[in-house]
Amino acid sequence: DAMVIQNPRYQVTQFGKPVTLSCSQTLNHNVMYWYQQKSSQAPKLLFHYYDKDFNNEADTPDNFQSRRPNTSFCFLDIRSPGLGDAAMYLCATSREEGWNGYTFGSGTRLTVV
Amino acid sequence: AQSVTQPDIHITVSEGASLELRCNYSYGATPYLFWYVQSPGQGLQLLLKYFSGDTLVQGIKGFEAEFKRSQSSFNLRKPSVHWSDAAEYFCAVGSNYKLTFGKGTLLTVNP
Repeated sequence: DAMVIQNPRYQVTQFGKPVTLSCSQTLNHNVMYWYQQKSSQAPKLLFHYYDKDFNNEADTPDNFQSRRPNTSFCFLDIRSPGLGDAAMYLCATSREEGWNGYTFGSGTRLTVV
Repeated sequence: AQSVTQPDIHITVSEGASLELRCNYSYGATPYLFWYVQSPGQGLQLLLKYFSGDTLVQGIKGFEAEFKRSQSSFNLRKPSVHWSDAAEYFCAVGSNYKLTFGKGTLLTVNP
């Protein structure tokens, strides 16, 4: 089945140690998104890729970066995780043409120790 | 800027009872509206969406929602709740290929 896959499901990292979360999709969607969802809060958009064009939200901290080497993969890099970055990170995809909303992955739960 | 308000943080219903979750949105044009459900530790699953046309939309798992432009509302309903419906529910408005979510309503179902 076509889907959005996030790895790993759970990630523990040390304070200040760089960490990368990955997302892959088999839907061939041209837009990919990263959302941060802290406990009991709404998902918050960090950035998105429209094909190879990167679009950062104005309030996304510089500590968060993203890469999209090809249509299928997108990575979220956190350069120096702090305790406040512990959250669920959700990847989503959508198709620009005939936009129909998002397809979400299952998320990666990040713990910072 | 678009925004979504879900007035109820937490709702408890008995199994078999009816359910209505409220959602109000703010958006300048005709909105794209969505309801997503999230089980603990999981991603978000789309329940239903409204783009245009019939203002009563049917979704998966027996859910429906009604778009009321005059009230800027898109409330989610289910006639008879099952224990497996316990989860968090998010209303969202979409534009320019981006979704803005409400803060969610946590649904507890009592046996």
